[in-house]
Amino acid sequence: AQSVTQPDIHITVSEGASLELRCNYSYGATPYLFWYVQSPGQGLQLLLKYFSGDTLVQGIKGFEAEFKRSQSSFNLRKPSVHWSDAAEYFCAVGVNTGKLIFGQGTTLQVKP
Amino acid sequence: NAGVTQTPKFQVLKTGQSMTLQCAQDMNHNSMYWYRQDPGMGLRLIYYSASEGTTDKGEVPNGYNVSRLNKREFSLRLESAAPSQTSVYFCASSGQGAAYEQYFGPGTRLTVT
Repeated sequence: AQSVTQPDIHITVSEGASLELRCNYSYGATPYLFWYVQSPGQGLQLLLKYFSGDTLVQGIKGFEAEFKRSQSSFNLRKPSVHWSDAAEYFCAVGVNTGKLIFGQGTTLQVKP
Repeated sequence: NAGVTQTPKFQVLKTGQSMTLQCAQDMNHNSMYWYRQDPGMGLRLIYYSASEGTTDKGEVPNGYNVSRLNKREFSLRLESAAPSQTSVYFCASSGQGAAYEQYFGPGTRLTVT
């Protein structure tokens, strides 16, 4: 069965520090992978997506993610976190019907 | 472009009452979705409509019905609300197929007492 796991429920980093959010997926075919961000009280906004080709993908707000097929992972990274990055982050895999399967989410707190 | 709009933003219901959540998109998307978001559970798909005239159950359809009124509009109905349906509900739309990202509305926060 398809599934997405985000092992970290909460992460706290200091402003200016680097960030890595983990995502592991289970899907039999070539996955379509997405990272979304949700600010408090808001809907979800797409950060980046992977369909094929270069395994390192760039997104908005300085985020990037690397697809590693051998590890079934699609981790999100940012070299230097800003206070405005505090939010909840969701990894998702797109299945062939167009549906998305979401992970449980990781809440990012940024310390000044 | 407004993108995906949802009404209402907030709603409080008593157990057993019914209501309809409205969703509209102006991006000419074929596919539309309804999710619920609960703490620690991520987003779970309730129903989706791959194209106008079709609807299918998602992961958690019990207690809900949907109507794809036209290409723009996709409504979610709770016939007899239960406290377990207290949640934040999101509507989304996308092009048809797995390669298209979904665009989300701002959500409806529903409380059932």
